[in-house]
Amino acid sequence: QVQLQESGPGLVRPSETLSLTCNVSGGSISGYYLSWIRQPPGKGLEWIGLVFYTGSTNYNPSLKSRVTISLDMSKNQFSLKLSSVTAADTAVYYCTIGTGWLTDYWGQGTLVTVSS
Amino acid sequence: EIVLTQSPATLSLSPGERATLSCGASQSVTSNYLAWYQQKPGLAPRLLIWDVSRRATGIPDRFSGSGSGTDFTLTISRLEPEDFAVYYCQQYAHSPLTFGGGTKVEI
Repeated sequence: QVQLQESGPGLVRPSETLSLTCNVSGGSISGYYLSWIRQPPGKGLEWIGLVFYTGSTNYNPSLKSRVTISLDMSKNQFSLKLSSVTAADTAVYYCTIGTGWLTDYWGQGTLVTVSS
Repeated sequence: EIVLTQSPATLSLSPGERATLSCGASQSVTSNYLAWYQQKPGLAPRLLIWDVSRRATGIPDRFSGSGSGTDFTLTISRLEPEDFAVYYCQQYAHSPLTFGGGTKVEI
């Protein structure tokens, strides 16, 4: 069974760049769509964007100017960078993998707090 | 962007009862690309239903999905204690992928 694990700093200063990595185990990321989704504390889910294993990307227009999602096939990983963060970017960030745009499997999530 | 509206926001029921959750879309969800997720406190969402009515691996048959176009329903035929959670619908037909605001099923 595919397993995903997010990693990265839990605290980011305002105006800096949030960087997270998702390590995928139990299977190759080849052929899959790899997404990042976030959930502010006590609120609903927001799709950030995805990268296909070919490297093509698709981002939420609300975040597009600040988001970069990339992958490293050699390490079976993909990454999220979100620039110019504010307190509104405080959330649990999930990495997900799926066939097509459906998100079949989720990581456990990692809380990122934006604060000085 | 397709906006998904879930109702009710909260559903108060007892074990053994039937739960009916609704998800309305601002425009037609093509190819029936509509999914339902269950989320318990402190955990990641879990896929329950995809393509409107297909149960994900390991999901018991008391969970069923139906609907088409702009109106969708998740039904839990007989609530078990472990079913009390928040449920989200999601459309994956159009970018950006969007989620409903969630329905909390509580005792």
